[in-house]
Amino acid sequence: RKEVEQDPGPFNVPEGATVAFNCTYSNSASQSFFWYRQDCRKEPKLLMSVYSSGNEDGRFTAQLNRASQYISLLIRDSKLSDSATYLCVVRLNTGNQFYFGTGTSLTVIP
Amino acid sequence: GAGVSQSPSNKVTEKGKDVELRCDPISGHTALYWYRQRLGQGLEFLIYFQGNSAPDKSGLPSDRFSAERTGESVSTLTIQRTQQEDSAVYLCASSLSAGQETQYFGPGTRLLVL
Repeated sequence: RKEVEQDPGPFNVPEGATVAFNCTYSNSASQSFFWYRQDCRKEPKLLMSVYSSGNEDGRFTAQLNRASQYISLLIRDSKLSDSATYLCVVRLNTGNQFYFGTGTSLTVIP
Repeated sequence: GAGVSQSPSNKVTEKGKDVELRCDPISGHTALYWYRQRLGQGLEFLIYFQGNSAPDKSGLPSDRFSAERTGESVSTLTIQRTQQEDSAVYLCASSLSAGQETQYFGPGTRLLVL
């Protein structure tokens, strides 16, 4: 069983739309949670960490549900520049290995 | 300041040859990670270093893969007797310490084994 699972998509949404991605993790010992963004043929870059209380950064909102072991990312007012693959990442409370999901592809259409 | 750099950016090799991939982390970052990303796939953890030590080598796919780090700086990932299934992008990331959770990635080395 994979440590982190994501719907690969693709999600194709019009500009201005709101889109949400979910990610589930299998290990209850997971301690830290992140969303990374990866553009085509580029390296991943940290988008935001995910805190237990939920957190917001501009148009982006991340939430964590420990009971159900999933995290979510909400993007409001989608821009063309939001087109990318969004990677869900978790780290266990033991060791320092990060587990990456396979990513969810988003294309924002004009 | 400079980010994580990797070299070469692209490498084409013949099956059976050895290859060496290099990663220069951000100066002062003590933790360094290697990942593999096959085409259309997610990132696969290979190994991480805290300083020059590698506490977790569990992700290395086979004994053909090895990695070293010296001077708490440069790291090299060596693949011996390359196989076609080794073709992938090899990504390196660094962070201030193993407990510091933001990882900064290099641009990767695209390896093609013919």
